[in-house]
Amino acid sequence: GAGVSQTPSNKVTEKGKYVELRCDPISGHTALYWYRQSLGQGPEFLIYFQGTGAADDSGLPNDRFFAVRPEGSVSTLKIQRTERGDSAVYLCASSSKTVSLIANTQYFGPGTRLTVL
Amino acid sequence: QKEVEQNSGPLSVPEGAIASLNCTYSDRVSQSFFWYRQYSGKSPELIMSIYSNGDKEDGRFTAQLNKASQYVSLLIRDSQPSDSATYLCAASGGGADGLTFGKGTHLIIQP
Repeated sequence: GAGVSQTPSNKVTEKGKYVELRCDPISGHTALYWYRQSLGQGPEFLIYFQGTGAADDSGLPNDRFFAVRPEGSVSTLKIQRTERGDSAVYLCASSSKTVSLIANTQYFGPGTRLTVL
Repeated sequence: QKEVEQNSGPLSVPEGAIASLNCTYSDRVSQSFFWYRQYSGKSPELIMSIYSNGDKEDGRFTAQLNKASQYVSLLIRDSQPSDSATYLCAASGGGADGLTFGKGTHLIIQP
């Protein structure tokens, strides 16, 4: 079946602009995650959704970052007034519903490479 | 603050040998642990997950967990050049929590 998809694959923008990054999870997966990966670093957790609601947004770096998942499937990560430091690969992952304390496997999409000039 | 520590490498291993990758974590409430492989320019791909103390084997891969020492490792037997990649260790508090990743270990398998 289809995996996690993300669009665009690459996004170049100018400092101060607004960008939207899209994630389409694996069909049937209720949990959706956003991570940010800078060069030479591991992915850094940003936010996770269980269904339509943000269950944990503690990783969002500041109020310029916002994410939505209005119908419990596709999610959009929105970044306002972009800064050069926002340049990174933004990864989306999804997992099936968790029924125990053991974490379900998260499957990653190909990522969106954001470059802020 | 949750932290996962890995030696960034590079770790160079001859083809056919055993590659040993290590990881420590700071948060004692972490319940689940994952090893992801990431090729340059690609996204992380799950190799192994482990939840209980001891060893878990899957083909050429063995994950080891020691919760008392807060230590996770990954052994790769009969290393192949195609195993050359960055290996990311990740920990989760359980349930649907976000993952905390280490910086990754760059593994090079020398033909």
